[in-house]
Amino acid sequence: DQQVKQNSPSLSVQEGRISILNCDYTNSMFDYFLWYKKYPAEGPTFLISISSIKDKNEDGRFTVFLNKSAKHLSLHIVPSQPGDSAVYFCAASAIGGTSYGKLTFGQGTILTVHP
Amino acid sequence: NAGVTQTPKFQVLKTGQSMTLQCAQDMNHEYMSWYRQDPGMGLRLIHYSVGAGITDQGEVPNGYNVSRSTTEDFPLRLLSAAPSQTSVYFCASSYSQGREPQHFGDGTRLSIL
Repeated sequence: DQQVKQNSPSLSVQEGRISILNCDYTNSMFDYFLWYKKYPAEGPTFLISISSIKDKNEDGRFTVFLNKSAKHLSLHIVPSQPGDSAVYFCAASAIGGTSYGKLTFGQGTILTVHP
Repeated sequence: NAGVTQTPKFQVLKTGQSMTLQCAQDMNHEYMSWYRQDPGMGLRLIHYSVGAGITDQGEVPNGYNVSRSTTEDFPLRLLSAAPSQTSVYFCASSYSQGREPQHFGDGTRLSIL
């Protein structure tokens, strides 16, 4: 059973507009969430993270929002740039139990930013 | 500073052959892990290590072996390759297990015929 889901396989956005990537999770033990960006033929690169004690974390053009009651997080990119075109993975880990420190990934969303 | 280095980048094997995927990091990270990426499934954890001499299984460990004799190296062994192991394999490392973003290598693309 997929514990972390990214239900949109792809997203297309115009340069300068906002990109919103979504992620849902089912495991209530998850308390640390990360977004990774991946270009073809490269490994994933860490983008931004958020702990469950927060509901928002910002880093430049990237903001992650966490809604614990809905078990939902989203990544906002503003403004979007063509260089942001990549696959974005959402990942989660748990504070304890058998999932402690292990990352569970979503399926990924392909973001295409058009000039 | 090379980060996480994986070799080889590409490999084609025949069913039943064995091979070792190499992973090395130069950041003095204690935590290392192996993932496989398959279409539509994201990355799945195969094995991980919290330090030299300590390894444990992840989500999909069957058919794979690991060892951690040094802090720097974490090789992944395929004992008898099967077509179901055709995938892209990523090695990752971080200072510790838990609240630490992991640093990934560029992957090994493995095809089993």
